[in-house]
Amino acid sequence: ILNVEQSPQSLHVQEGDSTNFTCSFPSSNFYALHWYRWETAKSPEALFVMTLNGDEKKKGRISATLNTKEGYSYLYIKGSQPEDSATYLCAFNNQGGKLIFGQGTELSVKP
Amino acid sequence: DVKVTQSSRYLVKRTGEKVFLECVQDMDHENMFWYRQDPGLGLRLIYFSYDVKMKEKGDIPEGYSVSREKKERFSLILESASTNQTSMYLCASSLGQGAQYSNQPQHFGDGTRLSIL
Repeated sequence: ILNVEQSPQSLHVQEGDSTNFTCSFPSSNFYALHWYRWETAKSPEALFVMTLNGDEKKKGRISATLNTKEGYSYLYIKGSQPEDSATYLCAFNNQGGKLIFGQGTELSVKP
Repeated sequence: DVKVTQSSRYLVKRTGEKVFLECVQDMDHENMFWYRQDPGLGLRLIYFSYDVKMKEKGDIPEGYSVSREKKERFSLILESASTNQTSMYLCASSLGQGAQYSNQPQHFGDGTRLSIL
């Protein structure tokens, strides 16, 4: 069984704080690592799909890094805002189509 | 933009009923997926399909079946609903399978919150 682990499970920060979460995945047979943001009452939305070791991706105040050799990815949010409150999911792709999801990190940003 | 539409946002059914959850995507995607999401467990794959009339079991297929008669539509069927199938169900689609599609994200519907009484 392939496991994808995310930490922490939940995080409460103040507006303006920068934060980061971790996703750990198996380092063998790597195809891609996905990050999704899931806001309450909405559908999960793709943030990044990373395929190469050392990849760094950025979207506004959110960025992600990838280390496929040691099997981890970090998601960073700079200057958190209340609208960043969501569950952040990572997912590991080792077969080109099917994803294995972590349990998510629930972020709450207080004004 | 890809649109994945699930037929109901909320559904209440009784134990023993046969329940159909419908999902339609409009971007000619090859792959379609059904997940359930429960607190603390993340998204768990129930069934998926890489082509019309093709289906494969995911991690938790027991108590479920699926149907894909047309490329754009993927139905999840609870043959005889039970209370432990109360959950949030998410449908997703993606472009195709194989390494050449590994950089393609999945696109999700809004989810169906199903309660079995």
